[in-house]
Parts: sequence; C-alpha cells; structure tokens
Amino acid sequence: DAKTTQPTSMDCAEGRAANLPCNHSTISGNEYVYWYRQIHSQGPQYIIHGLKNNETNEMASLIITEDRKSSTLILPHATLRDTAVYYCIVKYNFNKFYFGSGTKLNVKP
Amino acid sequence: DAGVIQSPRHEVTEMGQEVTLRCKPISGHDYLFWYRQTMMRGLELLIYFNNNVPIDDSGMPEDRFSAKMPNASFSTLKIQPSEPRDSAVYFCASSPHTSGETQYFGPGTRLLVL
Repeated sequence: DAKTTQPTSMDCAEGRAANLPCNHSTISGNEYVYWYRQIHSQGPQYIIHGLKNNETNEMASLIITEDRKSSTLILPHATLRDTAVYYCIVKYNFNKFYFGSGTKLNVKP
Repeated sequence: DAGVIQSPRHEVTEMGQEVTLRCKPISGHDYLFWYRQTMMRGLELLIYFNNNVPIDDSGMPEDRFSAKMPNASFSTLKIQPSEPRDSAVYFCASSPHTSGETQYFGPGTRLLVL
C-alpha cells in the first residue's frame, strides 16, 4: 500500500504560487494521487486528482513526475483563504484513503 | 445542492451516556463514509457503506461503536457507552459512484465526552 511523505509546514506570500510537494515512491501503476485540503474546523475538501498526466482545474494544478514517485500541487495565486492543511493521498485499498499528517500551508500577507 | 449534512454540530455528554451522530449524504451518492479526527491519530476511516450496505468496518475501534444506514438518505453512528477517549471530530462523507473515489465531506460533529 502506497503511503505519502509531505513537509510538515510551508509558508507562501499572498498572490504568489504555492508549490506543495509530495513523495509517494511506493505507488503502484493503477493508483491515483488525490489532493484534499482542510481549512480549520471544516471537513476536508477535494482539490484534484490524477494518474500520470498533469491535471488542472479551477482550484489548482497537479504535476506528477514521469516515474510517478512524486507530485506537486500548485496553487497559482495563493490567497489568505488558502491557509489550510493539504493532504496528498494515495488510496491504500478500494475506497479507503490514508490521509497522513499533511502540509500546513500558511499564506501570509 | 446542500452538501453532506451532519447533526448535531457539537455534542457534550458525560461518560457512560449513549451518543448518536447523524448524517445525510448528498442525494444520489452511492457511498457513505464515517471518519474520526483527533490530534493524536489524525483522520481515520471508521466504516463505509455502499448502497446502504456496510462494506468495511475494520476501522471501528470497538464494540461500543455501531453504524447503520437504513436508507439512502440517512446514516447514524452510535457510541454506547461513551468514554472520554471518544472525544473527537466525527466526519461523514459521501461519494458518487460515477466520480470514482472523490469524497465530499460534511462539516463534522465535534464530540466532547466528560
């Protein structure tokens, strides 16, 4: 079962891009990478997911390395409202997510 | 769409009392999940249902915990008897079959057992 490694915390200036890395070196070929975030006192919120191609939606971009052992979530123009814990997830069984500790992103004015 | 609805949002009870947490999933979603979040253990999956049937309850901590889903629009998580170590935020999430495993979370129930 693939697990993930993320930095404990990161800082980002408001208006700049936030790049959040994730290591998932034991990922298997058919496992997707998911990103969720949890703003203080709220439920986790889905951001984006991908298999091997880069993905982009209205919230973020996901860059997955060619060997799929790591990925980066990019928030192109971070705002104060993006301050949250960001979870990189590789599901470890059908429908079962392992959330881990995540990265606390602090967006500063 | 109202999203996943949970009630109550906050619950304070005394040790030994029965606690019932409620969840209304997003209409049309086939999967329902119950999670628990604590500072020490993070976010843990307790149980999940597919089409109202419990599929995996391996995360339920002990027999004091039980979950039911009598119909597609309602689920309960019951703790009887409650203990102080059950204090946590309990989240319900639902997922539509057609979107793979993307899960949509409710706002959570913050439980404090004294």
